Amino acid sequence: IAGITQAPTSQILAAGRRMTLRCTQDMRHNAMYWYRQDLGLGLRLIHYSNTAGTTGKGEVPDGYSVSRANTDDFPLTLASAVPSQTSVYFCASSDKSTGELFFGEGSRLTVL
Amino acid sequence: GQNIDQPTEMTATEGAIVQINCTYQTSGFNGLFWYQQHAGEAPTFLSYNVLDGLEEKGRFSSFLSRSKGYSYLLLKELQMKDSASYLCAVRDSNYQLIWGAGTKLIIKP
Repeated sequence: IAGITQAPTSQILAAGRRMTLRCTQDMRHNAMYWYRQDLGLGLRLIHYSNTAGTTGKGEVPDGYSVSRANTDDFPLTLASAVPSQTSVYFCASSDKSTGELFFGEGSRLTVL
Repeated sequence: GQNIDQPTEMTATEGAIVQINCTYQTSGFNGLFWYQQHAGEAPTFLSYNVLDGLEEKGRFSSFLSRSKGYSYLLLKELQMKDSASYLCAVRDSNYQLIWGAGTKLIIKP
């Protein structure tokens, strides 16, 4: 089934550890995004990539980095996790013609 | 600043009609989206409005008034499976999506 795959689906992490959330899409979408979703807040954009080889900062980029080596993969790295990064992380890609976002199933991250 | 407002929670009865409102203040406007998100799941696309008026898709309709910075999502013939959060998002002048916090809709039998 075509779509977006995220891994891991859930992770508990000690503060100070490095963590990479993986995201792969098979829809050949150029644009990809990482959001975090916290209770009572809207989805907040962390980083985005409009095409392979380019990335940009979103609303809340501090403490996160991304890379886009190819069209399909868009990993998100937390260099040194902190408890405030406890959240649900969604990867998404968008259809160029409609702008519709397609989301992965999410990665629930708990930083202790 | 940019802002999207929608009610935090609404309750409706199975079989009835409910209207979820969304007001926005953004730097530019390039379309408004509604997404549905069931608890513990990813958001899924419901509708897109870029011109004023009503877009109908089965039991769901979405309305837009750009002059008023206002949209609503209308759900008819409510079913228990419609219990979910409904997210309003506006694409601004930079083509970035600004998201509301979502409206949790509770359907009662």
